Amino acid sequence: AQKVTQAQTEISVVEKEDVTLDCVYETRDTTYYLFWYKQPPSGELVFLIRRNSFDEQNEISGRYSWNFQKSTSSFNFTITASQVVDSAVYFCALKEGGTSYGKLTFGQGTILTVHP
Amino acid sequence: EPEVTQTPSHQVTQMGQEVILRCVPISNHLYFYWYRQILGQKVEFLVSFYNNEISEKSEIFDDQFSVERPDGSNFTLKIRSTKLEDSAMYFCASSEGLAGSDTQYFGPGTRLTVL
Repeated sequence: AQKVTQAQTEISVVEKEDVTLDCVYETRDTTYYLFWYKQPPSGELVFLIRRNSFDEQNEISGRYSWNFQKSTSSFNFTITASQVVDSAVYFCALKEGGTSYGKLTFGQGTILTVHP
Repeated sequence: EPEVTQTPSHQVTQMGQEVILRCVPISNHLYFYWYRQILGQKVEFLVSFYNNEISEKSEIFDDQFSVERPDGSNFTLKIRSTKLEDSAMYFCASSEGLAGSDTQYFGPGTRLTVL
């Protein structure tokens, strides 16, 4: 069965610090997709990134970067030079298989607080 | 930019009452989903829907729940007889349905409070 673990329940940093959010996943499928979503205090879920199991290239988007390592089943998310607006709950999610309608399995989420 | 919308943003109901949560998915999307998030917990899958049929449902989605696409734009979740434990944030999501790599885009959620 698929499972996503975000071991860090809460992280607190001071503005401009770098912070890494960990995500470890379990799946028996060889084809799967990994996602990160952001849930700001307003409550909505905002899509950040999708990564396919057959593409281990790391990705950078502005201050955000993602490190995907199949060998350790991890898909970690780093925010460089954090800002107060980054304060949110961050969820890692997994979708198995090649079907379009596959459900997302979410981790427990990491609460990130960035202090000014 | 197209987005998923949900109404109402907050629904308060008495235990045993029926509630209908409404969603308008992104217009060219073919797959629709409902998830729920009990306060402080993770987001949990309830059901997926395609071509007017349920594609997959979780153990949570029991006979008290039903989904419907009553017209070309709305997608609804009905809870027939609400329980205290149904209190949660309910998220609707939609995806294009073109490939397994589909991304699900979420609405802002409806906070359901059962008293």
